[in-house]
Amino acid sequence: GESVGLHLPTLSVQEGDNSIINCAYSNSASDYFIWYKQESGKGPQFIIDIRSNMDKRQGQRVTVLLNKTVKHLSLQIAATQPGDSAVYFCAENPRSGGYQKVTFGTGTKLQVIP
Amino acid sequence: NAGVTQTPKFRVLKTGQSMTLLCAQDMNHEYMYWYRQDPGMGLRLIHYSVGEGTTAKGEVPDGYNVSRLKKQNFLLGLESAAPSQTSVYFCASSYPGTNNEQFFGPGTRLTVL
Repeated sequence: GESVGLHLPTLSVQEGDNSIINCAYSNSASDYFIWYKQESGKGPQFIIDIRSNMDKRQGQRVTVLLNKTVKHLSLQIAATQPGDSAVYFCAENPRSGGYQKVTFGTGTKLQVIP
Repeated sequence: NAGVTQTPKFRVLKTGQSMTLLCAQDMNHEYMYWYRQDPGMGLRLIHYSVGEGTTAKGEVPDGYNVSRLKKQNFLLGLESAAPSQTSVYFCASSYPGTNNEQFFGPGTRLTVL
C-alpha cells in the first residue's frame, strides 16, 4: 500500500546549526504534504504544509522542500535551538478539503546538542 | 481557550475490561479524529467524525467504537480490552476545507495487562 517514511530515525545537530529532516513518500496522488513536531509527552503540533503544485514554502525558521520527481520531502530548520528537540513527522493528505485522511510517517528524532 | 483536552491521561486495564476515553474541543471544529501511536508505527487513524452524529472507520478500527453525540465531544470506547490495545491514544480536531492543520490533545497512555 501507499506509505510515508523517513530516511533517518535520529538526527543530532549542534545548537545554532541548520537541521535537515528528510522524508520519502510513495503516493504521487497526494495533494498536500505536512510536517508535525511532537515534543516528549505531548501531542503532535502542526508546523507547516506544502501543496503538491509547489516546490518550496517558508515559515518562521523553517523551510519545506518538495521534490516530486524523486518523491522526496524535507524540512529545514534554521539556527536550531534546544527547543527544537522533538520527533518530527512528515505526513500526506491525498485530497484537498473535506475529511483529512492524513497518513503519518514513523518520525525522526531531532536531538540538539548545546 | 483550552483547545483539545483528553481524559484520562493514564489508565491501566485488565484484559476484558471496558473503558471510554473522552475528547473535548472548544474550537467549534467539525472534524474530529482518534489515533493510536505505537513505537515505530507512527500515528494510525482509528475512527473519525466529520460532524455531530456521524462517525466512520479509519485504518485500524477493530476493537473500538466511537460516538459523537455533541459537536465538541468525541468518545472512544473499548468494549473488551486486549493487550494489543496498549498504546498512546491521541484525539485531534480540525476545520473542514483546505486547511491541513489538525489540533491534537495531550494523549492518553493506556496499558492493558
